[in-house]
Parts: sequence; C-alpha cells; structure tokens
Amino acid sequence: AQKVTQAQTEISVVEKEDVTLDCVYETRDTTYYLFWYKQPPSGELVFLIRRNSFDEQNEISGRYSWNFQKSTSSFNFTITASQVVDSAVYFCALSPLISSGSARQLTFGSGTQLTVLP
Amino acid sequence: GAGVSQSPSNKVTEKGKDVELRCDPISGHTALYWYRQRLGQGLEFLIYFQGNSAPDKSGLPSDRFSAERTGESVSTLTIQRTQQEDSAVYLCASSLEKWGAATDTQYFGPGTRLTVL
Repeated sequence: AQKVTQAQTEISVVEKEDVTLDCVYETRDTTYYLFWYKQPPSGELVFLIRRNSFDEQNEISGRYSWNFQKSTSSFNFTITASQVVDSAVYFCALSPLISSGSARQLTFGSGTQLTVLP
Repeated sequence: GAGVSQSPSNKVTEKGKDVELRCDPISGHTALYWYRQRLGQGLEFLIYFQGNSAPDKSGLPSDRFSAERTGESVSTLTIQRTQQEDSAVYLCASSLEKWGAATDTQYFGPGTRLTVL
C-alpha cells in the first residue's frame, strides 16, 4: 500500500519569507515517482515537479526547490522569498514508476494550505 | 494544444437523480484518470482508462458509479441515484503513458463541482 503524509495542514507566512512544505511517503515499490501539485483558489491542479526514485539530486526552479531524501522517505518543497500569488493548497503525490497491469494512479497527501500575507 | 477540459464546471442536483460528467483529455494522451476530491481533502482515485484495455475500476466507491471511454477520446463519469455524500469536486487527468511503459505525468482538468441537495 502507498501512503503520503503532509503533516502541515495550514501554514501562514508573511511575504518574502521562505517556507518549507513537508512530505513523507510510504511505498513497497522499489521504483516510483514523486510529484508536487499546486491548487490555487480557482481549483485547477497545476503540475510543479516530478522526480523518480533513483534520482536523489535536489532540484531548483526559480524560487522553488525540492529536497528528496530516500533515507527518510521525504520529498520536501521550499519556496524562497514567498509571494502572495503562492497562496494555494499544495499536494504531494506518489505513483509507481512501472506498473504493467494495474493503474498508475497517484496517491495524494491531504494537502497543505499555504497563505502568504502581504 | 488545449489542456484537459471538463464539463459542466458546476452541477447542482437533487438526491436520487443521475448525473453525467464529461472529460476531454489532452489530444494524444492514452491514459485517463478520474479522481474525487471532497472538501478540504486530497484526491481519491476512482477509475483508470488506458487505450482500449479494460479499465481499472478499483477505486469506484459503489456500483452507483460508472465510467466509459471510447478509445483515446472523451470519457463520461456517471453517478446514479446521487446521495449527499457524493458532493465533491470530480477531477479528470490524462497522461501520455503507454501500456507497459513507465508512468507519466498526469495533467488535470479544472474539475466539476457536484453538489447534491
């Protein structure tokens, strides 16, 4: 069984602060993908990043960075110099990397509501 | 090209009525997923289509839920005899994955907000 835990239900920061969103996962698969999605108030899920289980290199994209640590089963997401437009619900998700028969559905965490105050 | 589209964006219905939700995947995407998102919660998997293969229905919560897809085109999710607990946002996603190959990124539509009175 797969499980994704986002322990932080809500986070509130002031603009320009850095913020880290935690994600811890459980899986029996030896190969898997990890994802982050953003869900702004409009409701549409926006894909942010996908990492595979054999690539633990951290990634930076503008103000966003991701820290993948297989040893602790964590895939944390940091926003540097946060902006009001970053306010959204952020979901961490997990899927098998290769699945010959069954669905490759995403297992989602419950999400973290980030509010960035001006 | 266009992203995943869903219709209607909002649906209000009375308990006991049937509803049909529609999803248009990204052109060329072979895999299509339906998810349900209850208020304040993460997404729950409902059903998966891959090309012309038999769908994976393991996530459907009851036999009141069904879905169809013809080939790699539009899909419809039908909920019969709706109940108040069916109220949720129903999200559709598509991806480029091929059968037997590695999974691929899922791109989501805007969802249909279903309210059962």
